[in-house]
Amino acid sequence: QVQLVQSGAEVKKPGSSVKVSCKASGGTFNSYGINWVRQAPGQGLECMGGIIPIFGTTNYAQKFQGRVSITADKSTSTAYMELSSLRSEDTAVYYCARVGTTGTTVYYMDVWGKGTTVTVSS
Amino acid sequence: EMVMTQSPATLSVSPGERATLSCRASQSISSNLAWYQQKPGQAPRLLIYGASTRATGIPARFSGSGSGTEFTLTISSLQSEDFAIYYCQQYNNWPGTFGQGTKLEIK
Repeated sequence: QVQLVQSGAEVKKPGSSVKVSCKASGGTFNSYGINWVRQAPGQGLECMGGIIPIFGTTNYAQKFQGRVSITADKSTSTAYMELSSLRSEDTAVYYCARVGTTGTTVYYMDVWGKGTTVTVSS
Repeated sequence: EMVMTQSPATLSVSPGERATLSCRASQSISSNLAWYQQKPGQAPRLLIYGASTRATGIPARFSGSGSGTEFTLTISSLQSEDFAIYYCQQYNNWPGTFGQGTKLEIK
């Protein structure tokens, strides 16, 4: 059974960038995609965007366009989410999650990482 | 932009009773809806996809229904481990959108 292993907690200064990794352990990306979802303290879940590694396609939520970059390294089955121009409101737990895909349709998130806490503070 | 609205925000139910959670989409999403359960300090867990199909290992007391814009998650007989926050998510448009969540608490 594939597991998604995320990188460790980060503390960043306002205006800087953070890059979080998500490695598929016990499997590969194969025909799956990876979504990134964040959750601010005490708040709900928010989709940021995703990638389909075998096709190299990405899609970002409008709110994060221009500030987020999602990439993947197929050779290591690792996905990355980089968020720039950080502000205090970006303090959150960032999750990666596996999605099924046909290439043109992307489905639900069935396997989740444990989350990476990113704290933005001066 | 697709908006998902869940109701109620908080639902108080006694163990053994039935809980009914609602989710509304701002436009039709066919059956491209999933439900997730989240407990404090944990990642969300997939419960239902395709509006009504239980994910692997999910007990039969969880059921989903609906299509188009109106969806329901029903938990037929609440167990202690079911008290959590529940989110609906549309995946009709990638990367998807979540509702704001319903907190299911013990009455």
